[in-house]
Amino acid sequence: DTGVSQDPRHKITKRGQNVTFRCDPISEHNRLYWYRQTLGQGPEFLTYFQNEAQLEKSRLLSDRFSAERPKGSFSTLEIQRTEQGDSAMYLCASSFPRRLEDTQYFGPGTRLTVL
Amino acid sequence: GNSVTQMEGPVTLSEEAFLTINCTYTATGYPSLFWYVQYPGEGLQLLLKATKADDKGSNKGFEATYRKETTSFHLEKGSVQVSDSAVYFCALATTGKLIFGQGTTLQVKP
Repeated sequence: DTGVSQDPRHKITKRGQNVTFRCDPISEHNRLYWYRQTLGQGPEFLTYFQNEAQLEKSRLLSDRFSAERPKGSFSTLEIQRTEQGDSAMYLCASSFPRRLEDTQYFGPGTRLTVL
Repeated sequence: GNSVTQMEGPVTLSEEAFLTINCTYTATGYPSLFWYVQYPGEGLQLLLKATKADDKGSNKGFEATYRKETTSFHLEKGSVQVSDSAVYFCALATTGKLIFGQGTTLQVKP
């Protein structure tokens, strides 16, 4: 299967700990996106990369959050000093934009629970 | 700003009933429009899309038409099945990111 993969699928941590999630996009996709989804809501955009460049960050992405895509392939999302409000599903998506076409394909998500 | 509004759920239908889930949007420019579906315990899957006004997206019996004059992209299916039970998200794409509606839960009963 060559879809978007995310690791881990579930993460339980204690408040104040740091966590890191990984996303591997579809291999030929040069754009990679991170979203956050809380229960009963639609996903909310966090940030996205084109190749290794981080092009946009949401105001939702506080200074405790950092994302990287060092070689333009996989990406990591780190949350420092986790808070209970960070509990959510973190979704990764990738795309390869073409003229009039930029469809994002999503991974299965990482569910974070902060105790 | 850009936004998407979906009809509130849950929507409960009997098998073989007609489905409409309303979606309206506010956007500058000419966004692409999408419907994604999230089945229980699974990730978001693209259901259908439309990239310009009057385009009709279709997949698995679902259809939606990009209506610029009414800023709408309503999802329809002529005859739903129990297996269509899921959460449906309308979304628009602008400057690289997707903006989603809050989702509409569909429950289809046998």
